[in-house]
Amino acid sequence: AQSVTQLDSQVPVFEEAPVELRCNYSSSVSVYLFWYVQYPNQGLQLLLKYLSGSTLVKGINGFEAEFNKSQTSFHLRKPSVHISDTAEYFCAVSGLRISSGSARQLTFGSGTQLTVLP
Amino acid sequence: GAGVSQSPSNKVTEKGKDVELRCDPISGHTALYWYRQSLGQGLEFLIYFQGNSAPDKSGLPSDRFSAERTGGSVSTLTIQRTQQEDSAVYLCASSFDPGQGAGGYTFGSGTRLTVV
Repeated sequence: AQSVTQLDSQVPVFEEAPVELRCNYSSSVSVYLFWYVQYPNQGLQLLLKYLSGSTLVKGINGFEAEFNKSQTSFHLRKPSVHISDTAEYFCAVSGLRISSGSARQLTFGSGTQLTVLP
Repeated sequence: GAGVSQSPSNKVTEKGKDVELRCDPISGHTALYWYRQSLGQGLEFLIYFQGNSAPDKSGLPSDRFSAERTGGSVSTLTIQRTQQEDSAVYLCASSFDPGQGAGGYTFGSGTRLTVV
């Protein structure tokens, strides 16, 4: 079984400031990691994913995330945010093993509402 | 189509009525998922379809909820005798599976269900 904890439910930040959205996970198996973004009244859009290899993953819209296995974290960062980045951000995990039931679904965190202030 | 299509986008229903929510996945995606997003909460897994295999129904909250997927494509989520606590956004997603771990899901825009 897996679980995901997003430590901050709301993050307000001024435009052009840096931001970090925190995500920690727990799992008994190796995992894939994802960040999704949800703009108001829309579905979820994949921002980036970690599958293997380099622990620093770059995604769309200037976001990046770093996988830290020892700390079981996958924090999302952006060096300079824009008003248009205001949205809800979800961290998610899935198990690696296709034959495992845990690989069949994503487990999501409860989300972090990022609000960029002018 | 190019994306996952869900209909209707909004549904208001009276308590006790049945509702059907529809999902058209991306053509060729063998895996289809339903999630529920309640106000201020994360996404709750409901059900998973993979090809012709028996669906994983472990997330369905009660026997009032059921889903089917016809011909390995379109899926319908049915909620019988709706209750106010069923009010939520119901999201459908599809992916290549066993490739789902590599690509993540593609989500539809959801159906916002309001039970009054």
